[in-house]
Amino acid sequence: EAGVAQSPRYKIIEKRQSVAFWCNPISGHATLYWYQQILGQGPKLLIQFQNNGVVDDSQLPKDRFSAERLKGVDSTLKIQPAKLEDSAVYLCASSAGSQGRTEAFFGQGTRLTVV
Amino acid sequence: GESVGLHLPTLSVQEGDNSIINCAYSNSASDYFIWYKQESGKGPQFIIDIRSNMDKRQGQRVTVLLNKTVKHLSLQIAATQPGDSAVYFCAEGGGSQGNLIFGKGTKLSVKP
Repeated sequence: EAGVAQSPRYKIIEKRQSVAFWCNPISGHATLYWYQQILGQGPKLLIQFQNNGVVDDSQLPKDRFSAERLKGVDSTLKIQPAKLEDSAVYLCASSAGSQGRTEAFFGQGTRLTVV
Repeated sequence: GESVGLHLPTLSVQEGDNSIINCAYSNSASDYFIWYKQESGKGPQFIIDIRSNMDKRQGQRVTVLLNKTVKHLSLQIAATQPGDSAVYFCAEGGGSQGNLIFGKGTKLSVKP
């Protein structure tokens, strides 16, 4: 079974530029998560999708971050404009179940550096 | 508010010893708990999970204990090996939001 795929693996941008991350979840997984992991901290949930609907985006900085899940499969996370404090690893995860009650499988993450 | 925290940020053990990593959670509505292992440069990897209708669950060399009375979760690793060196996170799921929230993590270092 193929795992969660993310791209790119690394990205360096200047502040105020925009950036987009892509995630392909495990086939058939209804739930998709985007997490932000700052160095030395645990993953922080940004947004959770159930199929193509948003379950929780309470921690998403909506003035600069946006996310969509196309046809309930792939997802993109965008930051525009980026700030220095957005430097982090962005992790995508998917799970077969819903409501945060089943194992989530993680991708390798995208390491973003904002300079 | 909801929060998941860990008692110890770092843990150093001798190879072959048993390790115990602790976690406290505050949302009594959470009904699903997971332990993840994260190695440098990789995404979190599932270790073991437990539902709130259980107190204990065992896997291969790992055991998770859940104490709902004091909202405490622990991960026990038997005969710790150098390959167990990593950061360990607990996460709670379900709850009122139906999401999956992570704690800060504990770094486990295994001395040969």
